[in-house]
Amino acid sequence: QVQLQESGPGLLKPSETLALTCSVSGGSTRTYYWGWIRQTPGKRLEWIGNIYYGGRPYYNPSLESRVTMSLDTSKNQFSLILSSVTAADTAIYYCARETYGDPVFDNWGQGILVTVSS
Amino acid sequence: DIQMTQSPSSLSVSIGDRVTITCRASQSISNSLNWYQVKPGKAPKLLIYTSSTLHSGVPSRFSGSASGTDFTLTINSLQPEDFATYYCQQSYTGPRTFGQGTKVEIK
Repeated sequence: QVQLQESGPGLLKPSETLALTCSVSGGSTRTYYWGWIRQTPGKRLEWIGNIYYGGRPYYNPSLESRVTMSLDTSKNQFSLILSSVTAADTAIYYCARETYGDPVFDNWGQGILVTVSS
Repeated sequence: DIQMTQSPSSLSVSIGDRVTITCRASQSISNSLNWYQVKPGKAPKLLIYTSSTLHSGVPSRFSGSASGTDFTLTINSLQPEDFATYYCQQSYTGPRTFGQGTKVEIK
């Protein structure tokens, strides 16, 4: 069974850069897509983007100007960078495995709460 | 982007009740609709994919159906572990989008 675990800072100030890492065990990051999803305080789920080995990342157009994702297969990890954060970026951030073809999130991490506050 | 409208936003139910949650897509998405269960502090779980296929390990009291752009998640005989928030998600095209969620609470 694949397991995913998010790590990173829980508190940021406005204008700072958020950097999160997702560590994957029980499976290789050389297969499947690997993505990030966040849950806002209002409980809305928002897909941030995904990345896969040997391919270009695909970002949600609503966040594309501030998002960068990367994949490190040697560490079996993938990362999210979100620049110029504001209070609106306060959310629980989940990493997830996404299947090929019809994109389904079949394995998730338990999430990390990120709060943006001055 | 494809908009997903989910209803109701919350439900108060009792153990053993049957629960029905609906999700409507803003355009045709074929059967590319998935359902997830989310609990605080836990990893979200995939329940159903391609509108009606039960994910491995998910109890058979969960089922999904589709009619045009309307999709339904049904939970038969609700169990204590089923109190959670449920989300639909379209996987047809473009940015993956989710419904607003339905919180199933104890009456």
